[in-house]
Amino acid sequence: KAGVTQTPRYLIKTRGQQVTLSCSPISGHRSVSWYQQTPGQGLQFLFEYFSETQRNKGNFPGRFSGRQFSNSRSEMNVSTLELGDSALYLCASSPDRGMDEQYFGPGTRLTVT
Amino acid sequence: AQSVSQHNHHVILSEAASLELGCNYSYGGTVNLFWYVQYPGQHLQLLLKYFSGDPLVKGIKGFEAEFIKSKFSFNLRKPSVQWSDTAEYFCAVPGNNAGNMLTFGGGTRLMVKP
Repeated sequence: KAGVTQTPRYLIKTRGQQVTLSCSPISGHRSVSWYQQTPGQGLQFLFEYFSETQRNKGNFPGRFSGRQFSNSRSEMNVSTLELGDSALYLCASSPDRGMDEQYFGPGTRLTVT
Repeated sequence: AQSVSQHNHHVILSEAASLELGCNYSYGGTVNLFWYVQYPGQHLQLLLKYFSGDPLVKGIKGFEAEFIKSKFSFNLRKPSVQWSDTAEYFCAVPGNNAGNMLTFGGGTRLMVKP
């Protein structure tokens, strides 16, 4: 089975711009979660989508949003980028058999200048 | 809210040394615990997990962890580390709600000297 894929892998944006990141889960997985990884804050949960609905949300401002499509692919969007948004954004998918193992993608490295 | 703490931020060991990384959790419900590993340039991947039953859990690559309820701990161990174990290790617990939210500890960077 192909793993979780994320595009693009690297991105450079300017403050004030917006960005959209994409995640394709493992085939058959219906739950997709997003995490932000930074040296200072570590791994922080952004949100989780299941069956096109946001099921859980972390403590991030409304500039961070996401959605899930009927094929379980997910996108996250960050508007009005700030320097502090520079991070590795990780997507994880799960078959969702209760609390289950999550399979992580390689991440998108976002740099905001 | 669930939280998890890892006390060792950086650990340096020589090959063949024994490893123990600490993880303490604060959790009010059913205890599920995870250890994930991130090798340099690679995806975050599951090392092992505890859901119930035997408190000594064995994972991949010779790692194991022991769930000690009275100490709220889930320490990761390996009797003899190799250079290839150089990585960052994360302990994690589920969120409050149903679903697949994970709360991660701050991580421990392990460097194994050949």
